[in-house]
Amino acid sequence: EVQLLESGGGLVEPGGSLRLSCEASGFMFSDYAMSWVRQAPGKGLEWVSGISGSGQSTYYADSVKGRFTISRDNSKNTVYLQMNSLRAEDTAVYYCARVGDQYCAGGSCFYSDYWGQGILVTVSS
Amino acid sequence: SYELTQPPSVSVSPGLTASISCSGDKLGSDYVSWYQQKPGQSPVLVIYQDDKRPSGIPERFSASNSGNTATLTISGTQAMDEADYYCQAWGSGVVFGGGTKLTVL
Repeated sequence: EVQLLESGGGLVEPGGSLRLSCEASGFMFSDYAMSWVRQAPGKGLEWVSGISGSGQSTYYADSVKGRFTISRDNSKNTVYLQMNSLRAEDTAVYYCARVGDQYCAGGSCFYSDYWGQGILVTVSS
Repeated sequence: SYELTQPPSVSVSPGLTASISCSGDKLGSDYVSWYQQKPGQSPVLVIYQDDKRPSGIPERFSASNSGNTATLTISGTQAMDEADYYCQAWGSGVVFGGGTKLTVL
């Protein structure tokens, strides 16, 4: 059974940093790209970042480029999202998601077939 | 940046067919996915690669993609289908539509 478990969320002041983790189980982690998707309170889904199975290819939304960094440790079956220079508008539930197309490294194969339960990040003073 | 446009809301009576559109420039030349999200829950993939249903998704969910518009169709809509629906494509990164609230009344 595929499982994705996010951790690391919480309350942080504007300008602060936070690192989210997503531990995966139930599949060959290194074969699959991963995404982070967020949802601000009462708003729609917003893709944040993605990373290929090998970690060699990374992608970012314009809204987080230069502030957020995605990475993965395939030995720990874990993907990370390092968030720096946080702003109030980064407040959201952050979801970790598996890219459904095995060996997809980017492009139109980048859909998500399994999602974590989400973790709340609140940026406020 | 690439944009996908969905109607904010769609209403349908139980047992009838609901259609939710998603429009974007030359969308038909790319794969589209659709997600269902119920309040307080994580999104669920209901359609991928334009018209494929993941295991466990009922046959009443179908979709098409041509030209500038993709369409999610729910036949014989049930009360349990009431949810927010999002389309998704790729445009130098994943792009989501703004979402459509489906009301079954």
